[in-house]
Amino acid sequence: EIVLTQSPGTLSLSPGERATLSCRASQSVSSTYLAWYQQKPGQAPRLLIYGASSRATGIPDRFSGSGSGTDFTLTISRLEPEDFAVYYCQQYGSSPLTFGGGTKVEIK
Amino acid sequence: QVQLQESGPGLVKPSQTLSLTCTVSGGSISRGSYYWSWIRQPAGKGLEWIGRISTGGSTSYNPSLKSRVTISVDTSKSQFSLTLSSVTAAETAVYYCARYLTSSESWYFDLWGRGTLVTVSS
Repeated sequence: EIVLTQSPGTLSLSPGERATLSCRASQSVSSTYLAWYQQKPGQAPRLLIYGASSRATGIPDRFSGSGSGTDFTLTISRLEPEDFAVYYCQQYGSSPLTFGGGTKVEIK
Repeated sequence: QVQLQESGPGLVKPSQTLSLTCTVSGGSISRGSYYWSWIRQPAGKGLEWIGRISTGGSTSYNPSLKSRVTISVDTSKSQFSLTLSSVTAAETAVYYCARYLTSSESWYFDLWGRGTLVTVSS
């Protein structure tokens, strides 16, 4: 099983600041199978990034994804009030499909 | 547009079987390259993949649950279902159904249900 470790667990930032979220895989994952999701309280997760770096439809360009192999990054260039949420990475390059433990981006 | 809706009992007794159904509306469950999946999330915790079924009917399950899980599909009703036997209180969670796109370029969950809370308690 590929374990995805997200860091930090919590990121305390102010609106307008840059957020950098890390997702490290225990084995190499093809970018094809790496995605990022945003989840707000009481809501289902929403797709942000697929293929490690492609933005989903309707996602603002302040969100970007990068990385390959075992190290992937989600960057939010300038935090807007609606961006404070929990973010998950996910892979299915190898079964079982796994999610990272999440990074909570909270208002400082 | 396609929507997913979970349904089933909100309360299950310990050691009994949890059964949920996901109804796909606005589109065909049989078309496209998708895996129809179940994911759960205990309150305040992360996401756990339970398993999936393909449009062709092949299944794959999380090894941690494999002995107790069955996912099936009824294409005539545009539904897929989850059964999880011998549940414990620790399996109290919001259960989501979701559609997983499997294209040549990328794989990802592109559509989610709103989730349904299942409480395991006597």
